[in-house]
Amino acid sequence: DGGITQSPKYLFRKEGQNVTLSCEQNLNHDAMYWYRQDPGQGLRLIYYSQIVNDFQKGDIAEGYSVSREKKESFPLTVTSAQKNPTAFYLCASSIGGASNEQFFGPGTRLTVL
Amino acid sequence: GENVEQHPSTLSVQEGDSAVIKCTYSDSASNYFPWYKQELGKRPQLIIDIRSNVGEKKDQRIAVTLNKTAKHFSLHITETQPEDSAVYFCAALNTGTASKLTFGTGTRLQVML
Repeated sequence: DGGITQSPKYLFRKEGQNVTLSCEQNLNHDAMYWYRQDPGQGLRLIYYSQIVNDFQKGDIAEGYSVSREKKESFPLTVTSAQKNPTAFYLCASSIGGASNEQFFGPGTRLTVL
Repeated sequence: GENVEQHPSTLSVQEGDSAVIKCTYSDSASNYFPWYKQELGKRPQLIIDIRSNVGEKKDQRIAVTLNKTAKHFSLHITETQPEDSAVYFCAALNTGTASKLTFGTGTRLQVML
């Protein structure tokens, strides 16, 4: 399980506030991913990055932003434009592209009050 | 884009029985099909995957079968044990045109004593 971490584990925010979720990996993986997990909806991809300084939108990118300034780090910002941000957020990384095993972090549960 | 449907959404079996989870995909060119297991409160982990050049793959009590003509693939767990209780996600990827996995909505498997 080690190698990819997310913080914080639980996060509360007020409506209208932006919040940033941290994701760090020391696996030397090139690719990193952010997923949102809601009950009954599986894992939906928000953003992904295959190399440093490059990233692409996933299926539900609206209201989110990311950066990939370092290979080890892929923070996700949930903006006030995200209409339903309360969810469980999972970060993952893989040594190459998506056809390689993805290693997931422990997740961050975000609650908007 | 790819669409993956997974069923059943919940499955209860008696310990020692077999369990089968089925997924269908829409992109006939998809060629990589992983299965992830997420135990309660834990992160998803890859348990088995199959590529389109084979029809079946086994790893101890778990196996995956692929029917490219029908565009469906299945996870088979034999001699189920309580530790098999978890949510299972299938996914599909067309490595030639896509850089991201499309996940199914998950199956909650409960193995009853």
